[in-house]
Amino acid sequence: QKEVEQNSGPLSVPEGAIASLNCTYSDRGSQSFFWYRQYSGKSPELIMSIYSNGDKEDGRFTAQLNKASQYVSLLIRDSQPSDSATYLCAVNKNQAGTALIFGKGTTLSVSS
Amino acid sequence: DTAVSQTPKYLVTQMGNDKSIKCEQNLGHDTMYWYKQDSKKFLKIMFSYNNKELIINETVPNRFSPKSPDKAHLNLHINSLELGDSAVYFCASSQMTGEYYGYTFGSGTRLTVV
Repeated sequence: QKEVEQNSGPLSVPEGAIASLNCTYSDRGSQSFFWYRQYSGKSPELIMSIYSNGDKEDGRFTAQLNKASQYVSLLIRDSQPSDSATYLCAVNKNQAGTALIFGKGTTLSVSS
Repeated sequence: DTAVSQTPKYLVTQMGNDKSIKCEQNLGHDTMYWYKQDSKKFLKIMFSYNNKELIINETVPNRFSPKSPDKAHLNLHINSLELGDSAVYFCASSQMTGEYYGYTFGSGTRLTVV
């Protein structure tokens, strides 16, 4: 079983819509969860982190975590063309570790 | 000031050559990493150093050798380069501050082996 799984996409949404990105992970000991955004030819940049079950909101972004289901999601409200990028889900490697395991990413395309 | 800087940004070299990539961070972080991103954009951890000590060494050919002279620097040396080594290599750093320890990535080094 892959450690962190994401649908590769592309996920296409119209401008102004809600984009929903999903991620599952295999290590039940993982405690820290991150969403990174990567534009083509650029390095990943952190957009959200979440550590507890439930929702965490930051501007147009909401991260959701369900540890029982080993599921993390990212919602982007009022999607903009500038949100078009690859979104990487990352999970810490083990309970005590800081190393992150990344999913293969979901490509989001927002059309104007 | 660039927080995590890598040099060079681009590297084109022939098979069989030896090359190095350098990474420096000025964030005062205690942990540094090397990741490889292949043509399918999969970002895979290679090495992790904490205060100059090797913490993680994933299944990486021993042609790859990291070196950390101090906690602000983590270099990657690659011997006998192969076509399959072509990828983007990212350096990153992090710090445990409470429960938050998101990475800061460098801008990447695009290595092309011909």
